[in-house]
Amino acid sequence: KAGVTQTPRYLIKTRGQQVTLSCSPISGHRSVSWYQQTPGQGLQFLFEYFSETQRNKGNFPGRFSGRQFSNSRSEMNVSTLELGDSALYLCASSPGTQTGGYTFGSGTRLTVV
Amino acid sequence: KNEVEQSPQNLTAQEGEFITINCSYSVGISALHWLQQHPGGGIVSLFMLSSGKKKHGRLIATINIQEKHSSLHITASHPRDSAVYICAVSTRGYGGSQGNLIFGKGTKLSVKP
Repeated sequence: KAGVTQTPRYLIKTRGQQVTLSCSPISGHRSVSWYQQTPGQGLQFLFEYFSETQRNKGNFPGRFSGRQFSNSRSEMNVSTLELGDSALYLCASSPGTQTGGYTFGSGTRLTVV
Repeated sequence: KNEVEQSPQNLTAQEGEFITINCSYSVGISALHWLQQHPGGGIVSLFMLSSGKKKHGRLIATINIQEKHSSLHITASHPRDSAVYICAVSTRGYGGSQGNLIFGKGTKLSVKP
């Protein structure tokens, strides 16, 4: 059974640019959530998608957005990149039930220069 | 005050020792998760708990809902257990939503041979 796939694994971008990250969940999982991990703030929830609808959003500016496609694959986009956006971005998939746990991807490490 | 508090922040143990990591939370939850993160970033979900106790190999997780407290125990610790252990709680979702995940700051465990 394939795991959660995140692409790309590493990314270097310049301030002001935008970036799109991709997450392919485990087959059959309908919920995809995104997280940002930095040394200072630790892990923080960005947003959660279920059946192509955003169900929850964390406390991040509007520059951070996402979407989910009909095959449950999800993308997140960060516009007008800032140095502080440098982080490990993780996605996790789950069946979408209250008893289902999370399976995390390996993450995308974004460096903004 | 953080909604999820973990202790200790750092822990060094000798191989074979019994290890306990504690987690306290202050919000209403639908479940509590114990996660393991190795250098390089990948996160593995160890346990998802809503009550009682779970055991997997040398790992045991317990939760006391009334006291809003959970513990992760590692018996007969081994150098390969060296990792960061993160406690996270799921807030209450609806429909297919998993709700938010709120994370503790993590406990860095180093097991010496």
